[in-house]
Amino acid sequence: QQQVKQSPQSLIVQKGGISIINCAYENTAFDYFPWYQQFPGKGPALLIAIRPDVSEKKEGRFTISFNKSAKQFSLHIMDSQPGDSATYFCASRSGAGSYQLTFGKGTKLSVIP
Amino acid sequence: DVKVTQSSRYLVKRTGEKVFLECVQDMDHENMFWYRQDPGLGLRLIYFSYDVKMKEKGDIPEGYSVSREKKERFSLILESASTNQTSMYLCASSFFGQPQHFGDGTRLSIL
Repeated sequence: QQQVKQSPQSLIVQKGGISIINCAYENTAFDYFPWYQQFPGKGPALLIAIRPDVSEKKEGRFTISFNKSAKQFSLHIMDSQPGDSATYFCASRSGAGSYQLTFGKGTKLSVIP
Repeated sequence: DVKVTQSSRYLVKRTGEKVFLECVQDMDHENMFWYRQDPGLGLRLIYFSYDVKMKEKGDIPEGYSVSREKKERFSLILESASTNQTSMYLCASSFFGQPQHFGDGTRLSIL
């Protein structure tokens, strides 16, 4: 099965710092890379997504960096806040028109004051 | 505000029982999904549906079936519940493509 490897498993960052979560994929046919944010007791919510024709996408304090040659992408959270404490999942779509997403195993982020 | 509603937050059933998990969306979305979430394993797709009465198997369909008789409702059925089906179950929907909106999940325990 095609995999998406996510790291780290958990992350502790001080308030105001930068949180960085990394994902690596194997299948070069993957063509869409979303990130989901999940708070305890809630379902995941789509946070931000990127397609492989761009190297970076920014929405507020959240940025995805994409390296097609290395088959890696990462989520950067600038000026991290305690309210950002959640579990983050990266995912990859297996080709245009596909409904299938392959998810990473998640990163639990804790932002401490 | 968009809403995906799962009928139960917590459910306890016994092995061998037939279990129904219900999901309703109010966004007139074409696509609906059932995922299973286990610690350290992320989210795994069980089934999805792209139209009424249409369904496709996901990565782990064994032991499950689904029903979509109306556009807004997607049901997950455990034909004969087993202890290895104890998990968090998440329903999701989207207008097109991959899931956009998730419900808050049903934590199912099989004893």
